[in-house]
Amino acid sequence: QVTLRESGPALVKPTQTLTLTCSFSGFSLDTPGMSVTWIRQPPGKALEWLALIGWNNEKYYSASLETRLTISKDTSKNQVVLTLTKVDPVDTATYYCARVPGTMSGILVYYHALDVWGQGTPVTVSS
Amino acid sequence: DIQMTQSPSTLSASVGDRVTITCRASQSINTWLAWYQQKPGKAPKLLIYKASTLESGVPSRFSGSGSGTDFTLTISSLQPDDFASYYCQQYSSYSPTTFGQGTKVEV
Repeated sequence: QVTLRESGPALVKPTQTLTLTCSFSGFSLDTPGMSVTWIRQPPGKALEWLALIGWNNEKYYSASLETRLTISKDTSKNQVVLTLTKVDPVDTATYYCARVPGTMSGILVYYHALDVWGQGTPVTVSS
Repeated sequence: DIQMTQSPSTLSASVGDRVTITCRASQSINTWLAWYQQKPGKAPKLLIYKASTLESGVPSRFSGSGSGTDFTLTISSLQPDDFASYYCQQYSSYSPTTFGQGTKVEV
């Protein structure tokens, strides 16, 4: 059974750095084509994609947040970590991680839909 | 970036209704499109991928169609459990991937 679970602080002060951890089981980030991604959703608003890290440590970031985001993985611990620097109240949201399986074609990876999501962790940015 | 435009943003319907939600991409994405259902306070759930392939365990009253830039999600006979928000996502590219703004299906 594939599961993902997000963890991190519920409250962060403006200008601080937010660090979120996605702990997963039931699959390995060593598997060719596999990846984990982060998405957030401000209260009452739509989903916003943030970042993705692949089995080969390939990383993609939202262009609007790229200078503030870092994604990393610890395959031995089955964890993916997302950091967001210089947080602002507009970063208040529920943050989700999700599994993204992919298909290998030579050295290229074709990522697919987000097939399993964590439950999400709400984060409030406020002084 | 590829923009995804969903319509309508809100849809009022009754149990038993046939419901259609549309999603339009700003450029061709072939069939690299997924649909998700989200209930209040819960994570999104994958319903359909590759525009028309039903995820395992999803009821057959859900169906998806389209290719290129225009896509639809259809619920053939709305059930009480289907009142929720629905999002489309293009994954033609993960740099970036993008979601539609969502459609809320309400009574």
